Amino acid sequence: EAGVAQSPRYKIIEKRQSVAFWCNPISGHATLYWYQQILGQGPKLLIQFQNNGVVDDSQLPKDRFSAERLKGVDSTLKIQPAKLEDSAVYLCASGPWGAEGYTFGSGTRLTVV
Amino acid sequence: DAKTTQPPSMDCAEGRAANLPCNHSTISGNEYVYWYRQIHSQGPQYIIHGLKNNETNEMASLIITEDRKSSTLILPHATLRDTAVYYCIVRLGFSSNTGKLIFGQGTTLQVKP
Repeated sequence: EAGVAQSPRYKIIEKRQSVAFWCNPISGHATLYWYQQILGQGPKLLIQFQNNGVVDDSQLPKDRFSAERLKGVDSTLKIQPAKLEDSAVYLCASGPWGAEGYTFGSGTRLTVV
Repeated sequence: DAKTTQPPSMDCAEGRAANLPCNHSTISGNEYVYWYRQIHSQGPQYIIHGLKNNETNEMASLIITEDRKSSTLILPHATLRDTAVYYCIVRLGFSSNTGKLIFGQGTTLQVKP
């Protein structure tokens, strides 16, 4: 089966600019996660979707981050405005309901300068 | 916060077994132990999971102590391609509607020729 697709692969922006990341999960997967991974650290959960509803967004910095999953398929994560500390890899993962393991994409590496 | 403790780094000779320990002394009765690994510049990859019995698949074996307070991931014949960061994660079983994966710092395994 095709994996979790993420784009772009790399992005460089200036601070205070906006940026959006896109994730296309594996077909039929109901659960979708966004993680932020700062260099040298483990991934940090930002938000979890079940179909097109948010299950958990307690770790999402809502003053600047937003995410949506229209029609329960693709998802976008937006940062507006970006800060230097947002430089990280943003990972998307998906799995069917009740999945034993989740499949991760390769991520989008964001550099804020 | 992550509920697991792992050594930050380990070395292993190619062809030998790699034994990666993990402490999870506060694990609850309905929580599973999961292992993921992350090869450089890729997203995390699911390896194996277990509740209380030892588990084995084509990638690895998982040994969970009887009191469930610790576990060991065993890669029986490590290769250079097994060089990665290995994450031990405790999470609610997949019947939970959250099923969040909370990553810690992981163990960097370096397989040497």
